Amino acid sequence: EPEVTQTPSHQVTQMGQEVILRCVPISNHLYFYWYRQILGQKVEFLVSFYNNEISEKSEIFDDQFSVERPDGSNFTLKIRSTKLEDSAMYFCASSPPPDGNQPQHFGDGTRLSIL
Amino acid sequence: RKEVEQDPGPFNVPEGATVAFNCTYSNSASQSFFWYRQDCRKEPKLLMSVYSSGNEDGRFTAQLNRASQYISLLIRDSKLSDSATYLCVVNRNDYKLSFGAGTTVTVRA
Repeated sequence: EPEVTQTPSHQVTQMGQEVILRCVPISNHLYFYWYRQILGQKVEFLVSFYNNEISEKSEIFDDQFSVERPDGSNFTLKIRSTKLEDSAMYFCASSPPPDGNQPQHFGDGTRLSIL
Repeated sequence: RKEVEQDPGPFNVPEGATVAFNCTYSNSASQSFFWYRQDCRKEPKLLMSVYSSGNEDGRFTAQLNRASQYISLLIRDSKLSDSATYLCVVNRNDYKLSFGAGTTVTVRA
């Protein structure tokens, strides 16, 4: 069964540094998402991406965050200047056409630790 | 009011038992509904979509009540492997999922 893959599985970064989290969505999916889950808390939506642009973003997704689909397969989340409170599990997800109502399939996440 | 609310549990049940729990959602414009399961420190995995007519997938039965804005999940003949956190997830048709905080189920031998 096709999977969403994420790299790295664990990223440790100094506060203030930039970090890029990578995702390869399922190949025939058209909708891409990033979520985060702080330890012990619920999964929170960050951003959705369709047709090479952001469809929706949450209040968490401020100017420090950006997303990109640099080629036909990768989908990245960049945090420009990390803060301690950015420490969380970051999940990438994708869903198939025809619309944004289809079930989303999650990657196994990147654990981001900010020191 | 939270977008999606769930009873956190935990529900501790013996193998073979039936366990059921609900979640409520606040936005009446919500379009699609799902149950995901999440094991400790792992990614959410789709368990089943939830349809207005109710649907069943093996030992799992989901119901949606749009009038009262709640969704239920029933697990029959519980297995040890059913131990997990069950996430109620709602999509408002704006390309994002709203997650409940999860209901913890522990099945004991």
